[in-house]
Amino acid sequence: QVQLQESGPGMVKTSQTLSLTCSVSGGSISSDDHYWAWIRQRPGKGLELIGYIYHSGSSYYNPSLRSRLLISVDTSNNQFSLKLNSVTAADTAVYYCARTILFEYYFDYWGQGTLVTVSS
Amino acid sequence: DMLMTQSPATLSVSPGERATLSCRAGQSISDNLAWYQQKPGQAPRLLIYGASSRATGIPARFSGSGSGTEFTLTISSLQSEDFAVYYCQQYDQWPSWTFGQGTRVEIK
Repeated sequence: QVQLQESGPGMVKTSQTLSLTCSVSGGSISSDDHYWAWIRQRPGKGLELIGYIYHSGSSYYNPSLRSRLLISVDTSNNQFSLKLNSVTAADTAVYYCARTILFEYYFDYWGQGTLVTVSS
Repeated sequence: DMLMTQSPATLSVSPGERATLSCRAGQSISDNLAWYQQKPGQAPRLLIYGASSRATGIPARFSGSGSGTEFTLTISSLQSEDFAVYYCQQYDQWPSWTFGQGTRVEIK
């Protein structure tokens, strides 16, 4: 059974960098059949795709976040990471990592999510 | 980005009754649509993919239908554990996959 677990600070100061890591167990992040994604949910709102990455490093970033975003993969530790810089209160959200299937692209496994609050 | 519109925003249903949720795509997405269930404080759970295929472990009371621009999630007989928010997601428009705004199913 594949499991994903987000980790990182629960609070970030305005204008600083939000950094999260997703640890994958029960499956390999080097799988040729999957992409690994970050999705967020602002308080009381719907789901927003942040971006995703393949084990090769090939990635997609949401255009609205692209200028502030870096998603990376660490195959040796079976992890992938998110860095979002110059954060504001609008970046306060629950951040989820999730797995999607190549050529299918729905999200079949999700992490439990981690709340990140941006505050001055 | 592809706009996904869900209706209604809130659906009030009595336990044991049928619930019908709608999702409309801004343009044809074939059958590249998934449905998720989200309960408070939990991550979304995949229910349906390919518009009508149930994910592993999903009860048969959940069914999906539709293609093109109009899709439906039906819960045939609502159980207490089914009261939640439901999201649709299109994955036809690569690389930008988008979600609907959600439908809350509440106890009537």
